[in-house]
Amino acid sequence: EAQVTQNPRYLITVTGKKLTVTCSQNMNHEYMSWYRQDPGLGLRQIYYSMNVEVTDKGDVPEGYKVSRKEKRNFPLILESPSPNQTSLYFCASSRDRSYGYTFGSGTRLTVV
Amino acid sequence: DQQVKQNSPSLSVQEGRISILNCDYTNSMFDYFLWYKKYPAEGPTFLISISSIKDKNEDGRFTVFLNKSAKHLSLHIVPSQPGDSAVYFCAARDDKIIFGKGTRLHILP
Repeated sequence: EAQVTQNPRYLITVTGKKLTVTCSQNMNHEYMSWYRQDPGLGLRQIYYSMNVEVTDKGDVPEGYKVSRKEKRNFPLILESPSPNQTSLYFCASSRDRSYGYTFGSGTRLTVV
Repeated sequence: DQQVKQNSPSLSVQEGRISILNCDYTNSMFDYFLWYKKYPAEGPTFLISISSIKDKNEDGRFTVFLNKSAKHLSLHIVPSQPGDSAVYFCAARDDKIIFGKGTRLHILP
């Protein structure tokens, strides 16, 4: 089944403790991206990648890092999480610019 | 500054009637527009898209209309069904996708 898999689905952590949210797609997509969804703010892009080793900042990249060493994986790294990064995170991938993204099921992160 | 705006946070429509969701954008460089549907506890699902060189795209009960001069697009759902109750995101794409804040659609029995 074609899908985007992100883990974990739920995570509660403490301020300053580094964490990684993994994202993997099995569709051989070139585009991958991370979004966060917050009440009243909709979906905001954190980082995106147009291909392996090619990443770029989205609208809200501060406090996040990404890497794209392989086509299928696009992990989101929070080096020192803070409470304002409490949010619902979605990973997405796309075949090309004319195609809609396929989203993962989301990761609900709480930073206390 | 919001480049993609959905000015109605919510919309209620009677089952069987037409649902019209609206979206405005500011960047004339966008060349693709997309609509996504999102149920609670799930990721958004791609619904329908339209290229900027077209003014209409239809897929079953869903039609998207694009008015480039007004920088406006709309999603029509006819007839509306209970399973259409969800949050709908309008999105525009250049090298990245920019989403609106979403409109919550309630289909009333």
